[in-house]
Amino acid sequence: AQSVTQLGSHVSVSEGALVLLRCNYSSSVPPYLFWYVQYPNQGLQLLLKYTTGATLVKGINGFEAEFKKSETSFHLTKPSAHMSDAAEYFCAVSGAGSYQLTFGKGTKLSVIP
Amino acid sequence: DSGVTQTPKHLITATGQRVTLRCSPRSGDLSVYWYQQSLDQGLQFLIQYYNGEERAKGNILERFSAQQFPDLHSELNLSSLELGDSALYFCASSVDQDPSYNEQFFGPGTRLTVL
Repeated sequence: AQSVTQLGSHVSVSEGALVLLRCNYSSSVPPYLFWYVQYPNQGLQLLLKYTTGATLVKGINGFEAEFKKSETSFHLTKPSAHMSDAAEYFCAVSGAGSYQLTFGKGTKLSVIP
Repeated sequence: DSGVTQTPKHLITATGQRVTLRCSPRSGDLSVYWYQQSLDQGLQFLIQYYNGEERAKGNILERFSAQQFPDLHSELNLSSLELGDSALYFCASSVDQDPSYNEQFFGPGTRLTVL
């Protein structure tokens, strides 16, 4: 069984400040990890994913995440927040041979001007 | 625009009724996934079809069913609706059946309200 925990349902940062969204996972098989973003009244869009290889993954819009097996974490970061980053962010996990994504509850990011 | 279309955008109906949600995947994608997003349960995987065949089942109620047609569009049927079925229903598609290797592209969703 797989599960995802996102710490903080709501995070507020100032424009230009560091964005850090936390994700911890549980998986009985080597995990594949994903971050999705959902803008208001839209579907989800893939930001980045980790399957194998380099543990630091770069995605779109300046976001990156690091897979840390020892900490079972896959936190999402961005050095400098922009107003357009305000959205809800979902961490998800799947495993080899698994056909589905298991999502966390989501973290709503607010950016304060 | 992800290339995945869903109709209708909004649906308002009464308890006990039956509705059908429709999804057209991106051109070339063989796999379709259905998800339910609600305030209390979050985003939950319901069911997956690959090239017309059911591949995986998640937390899908017995009152719900789905199918994928030869032209690869999919329909999610919800019957004997309850207030708790009010949610946003997403369809996603991918090229292959394993989401680990293929990005899932999400449609804009159908918002179902059961009164």
